[in-house]
Amino acid sequence: NAGVMQNPRHLVRRRGQEARLRCSPMKGHSHVYWYRQLPEEGLKFMVYLQKENIIDESGMPKERFSAEFPKEGPSILRIQQVVRGDSAAYFCASSTNRDNEQFFGPGTRLTVL
Amino acid sequence: AQSVTQPDIHITVSEGASLELRCNYSYGATPYLFWYVQSPGQGLQLLLKYFSGDTLVQGIKGFEAEFKRSQSSFNLRKPSVHWSDAAEYFCAVGGGNEKLTFGTGTRLTIIP
Repeated sequence: NAGVMQNPRHLVRRRGQEARLRCSPMKGHSHVYWYRQLPEEGLKFMVYLQKENIIDESGMPKERFSAEFPKEGPSILRIQQVVRGDSAAYFCASSTNRDNEQFFGPGTRLTVL
Repeated sequence: AQSVTQPDIHITVSEGASLELRCNYSYGATPYLFWYVQSPGQGLQLLLKYFSGDTLVQGIKGFEAEFKRSQSSFNLRKPSVHWSDAAEYFCAVGGGNEKLTFGTGTRLTIIP
């Protein structure tokens, strides 16, 4: 059973461009969480999704950021018009419906030039 | 609001010595508690978790943690560290299917 997969692993964007981060949860997992880790800091929750639904987006910046988890395909975290402050590691985690053990992917490291 | 405090930013321990990493939490209900380990440039690996039951929890790589409700603590311990244990350690709290709140992490350095 493959773990949580994220791609790309590294992403470089110039200011003003768009960044799309993908997350494929573990097989059988219907819950996806996105977290952001700024340099030298812990992980901060961004958004929690189930298939086709956003359950909790309380950690998501109000502008430029959006997330989706369609019926088919991976979850996507989209950042429009990136700024240097968006440079961070973005981690996706998935879980089943039974408990809150979240399995983390390897992360996407976004660098904004 | 839930929160996690890891008071030690950086700890240095000699190889073979014992280890205790501190974690205090604030949560309005019965918490689910977790310890994760992160090596440089890598994702997070779950060391152990507490949901309910026995307050002393055993995890992977010889780690254990004890849930103390009266102290709102969930400290991580290992009787004898190995050089490969050098990493960043994160304590987290959550409940049911919801977000995890992480502490700021403790960086562990092992000296020969």
